[in-house]
Amino acid sequence: DVKVTQSSRYLVKRTGEKVFLECVQDMDHENMFWYRQDPGLGLRLIYFSYDVKMKEKGDIPEGYSVSREKKERFSLILESASTNQTSMYLCASHGTATVEAFFGQGTRLTVV
Amino acid sequence: ILNVEQSPQSLHVQEGDSTNFTCSFPSSNFYALHWYRWETAKSPEALFVMTLNGDEKKKGRISATLNTKEGYSYLYIKGSQPEDSATYLCAFRAGSYQLTFGKGTKLSVIP
Repeated sequence: DVKVTQSSRYLVKRTGEKVFLECVQDMDHENMFWYRQDPGLGLRLIYFSYDVKMKEKGDIPEGYSVSREKKERFSLILESASTNQTSMYLCASHGTATVEAFFGQGTRLTVV
Repeated sequence: ILNVEQSPQSLHVQEGDSTNFTCSFPSSNFYALHWYRWETAKSPEALFVMTLNGDEKKKGRISATLNTKEGYSYLYIKGSQPEDSATYLCAFRAGSYQLTFGKGTKLSVIP
């Protein structure tokens, strides 16, 4: 079974904290993605990476950065968490040859 | 930003009713169209991936069609059951790496 694993299901952080969300996949996929999901707005792409050390901005990158030091791991970083970053965060991956994407279970982040 | 629209945003149907909803996407530079089912507290689960104009896919009571020339896909559920209650997402992939998602259709099946 393909596995995409996110490090936490629930997180509560304080405003101004630096927050790391980790995502690991075990299928040797080249492409990895971070989305956030908010009511009425659907899934919006924050950042994606098509190779180790490569990153591309998605539709809403402001306030976030990413790191892809190893092929299996893609980290989302909130440099200084703010309350408007309270959301559900989803990681996904797919191979370059395959068209199906696989998702992690999601991390519900609350910034207080 | 690519525009992927799903309609309706939500709907309620009685158990046993059949239903369908729509995904519209850009008709140029098409690579693939995905449908996912997203149940509460679970990961989105892939239902179908369609790549060819005229594709029709079926999984049990759920089926989907694809028209790439006019830029739409329909998802059909025959004889809805309470376990079909979920948000159904479509995602468009152009000749690039990223998937662009619609906002989803939230289906509630009333027993």
